[in-house]
Amino acid sequence: ETGVTQTPRHLVMGMTNKKSLKCEQHLGHNAMYWYKQSAKKPLELMFVYSLEERVENNSVPSRFSPECPNSSHLFLHLHTLQPEDSALYLCASSQEHSFSGNTIYFGEGSWLTVV
Amino acid sequence: DQQVKQNSPSLSVQEGRISILNCDYTNSMFDYFLWYKKYPAEGPTFLISISSIKDKNEDGRFTVFLNKSAKHLSLHIVPSQPGDSAVYFCAASGWGSGNTGKLIFGQGTTLQVKP
Repeated sequence: ETGVTQTPRHLVMGMTNKKSLKCEQHLGHNAMYWYKQSAKKPLELMFVYSLEERVENNSVPSRFSPECPNSSHLFLHLHTLQPEDSALYLCASSQEHSFSGNTIYFGEGSWLTVV
Repeated sequence: DQQVKQNSPSLSVQEGRISILNCDYTNSMFDYFLWYKKYPAEGPTFLISISSIKDKNEDGRFTVFLNKSAKHLSLHIVPSQPGDSAVYFCAASGWGSGNTGKLIFGQGTTLQVKP
């Protein structure tokens, strides 16, 4: 059982829909992340939150909107997505975000298909 | 600019033999390196890490070697088992150049262990 849980595991949405991905970590960590994995590409960091404050936004289009209401929960709100946004979206957490020696623990991912 | 590279997209080994997965990096400020294992439809699982003050770290069947002068690390799995078949990602982090602990991932190597 993973300490980072993501829902839903699979999501199919139309380009005009609004949906959200949810992540919860049970590890007592202070930092949470959204990563994107597309086919044959390295994992791409999207957002970093530390103690509920966004500390990094890696040039992600505004159609992706993160929300971190507390240090245990992270959402990714999706609206007017494009088919090329279809990918595996991974949530992760770590004890801290700003020091080396940082081990990140991932959830099982949410498979998103935009039609 | 790919700071962490896994130049072999795939590797096939026989059960019981050694698997060697390689990773190269370009940023001399990296000082912490990790390996993750990923099964299809699951998130990456942390496997083993090494700090730059060491050149070897061992955990059961898994050993990571770090050659700082060559900016190269490798993961050895011995003996390899069919259950080790997965995609392996190396990742690096460090201070400087805006890294501040952020993990940079390689593209991954798919390992197949044949019975």
